[in-house]
Amino acid sequence: SQQGEEDPQALSIQEGENATMNCSYKTSINNLQWYRQNSGRGLVHLILIRSNEREKHSGRLRVTLDTSKKSSSLLITASRAADTASYFCATDSLRDNRLAFGKGNQVVVIP
Amino acid sequence: DTEVTQTPKHLVMGMTNKKSLKCEQHMGHRAMYWYKQKAKKPPELMFVYSYEKLSINESVPSRFSPECPNSSLLNLHLHALQPEDSALYLCASSQGWRGGGELFFGEGSRLTVL
Repeated sequence: SQQGEEDPQALSIQEGENATMNCSYKTSINNLQWYRQNSGRGLVHLILIRSNEREKHSGRLRVTLDTSKKSSSLLITASRAADTASYFCATDSLRDNRLAFGKGNQVVVIP
Repeated sequence: DTEVTQTPKHLVMGMTNKKSLKCEQHMGHRAMYWYKQKAKKPPELMFVYSYEKLSINESVPSRFSPECPNSSLLNLHLHALQPEDSALYLCASSQGWRGGGELFFGEGSRLTVL
């Protein structure tokens, strides 16, 4: 099942700007993860936030999680052309432990 | 070694062919996965192996047949595929499959069915 949903789905920004993506989900979760996928390649894990955490940082990445609203956001600060990729959130459901991927955000960073 | 290696990178096959996709990891992970991804869509789970046993089959058609010969290897045998099966097939592994840990993905095998 695909329960993670991101909004917006396409984002085009200038290099150096910040990029923000949102993800909503429907059921209770163990954790929420964000992955990056460069065109036609494998997914790379970016960050995992557990259900009892509200915010997490990793380098230029900042993830927030609001379990009351069943939503998460991914912020990429000071974007670079190399950040051009698709970004997926994935939720690990308490119900069945399956990792369900959301629809994905296409981010284009213009040099 | 934090890599998941998939071969071949590209595969073109006819509907009557039999082929296999291969996946290998040497991270000591006990869970391995096959995902299917169509263009501009998220990955869709097909199979999960945990400790070399099939734990999840997401109602995948029998023309896809997974095999886990040992804890490092995962195969996907393909037979009598349809053109709509053309997609990127991703293999992934994790330390365990319950608990929602990080998945390590291979670069994928791009399959075209003629």
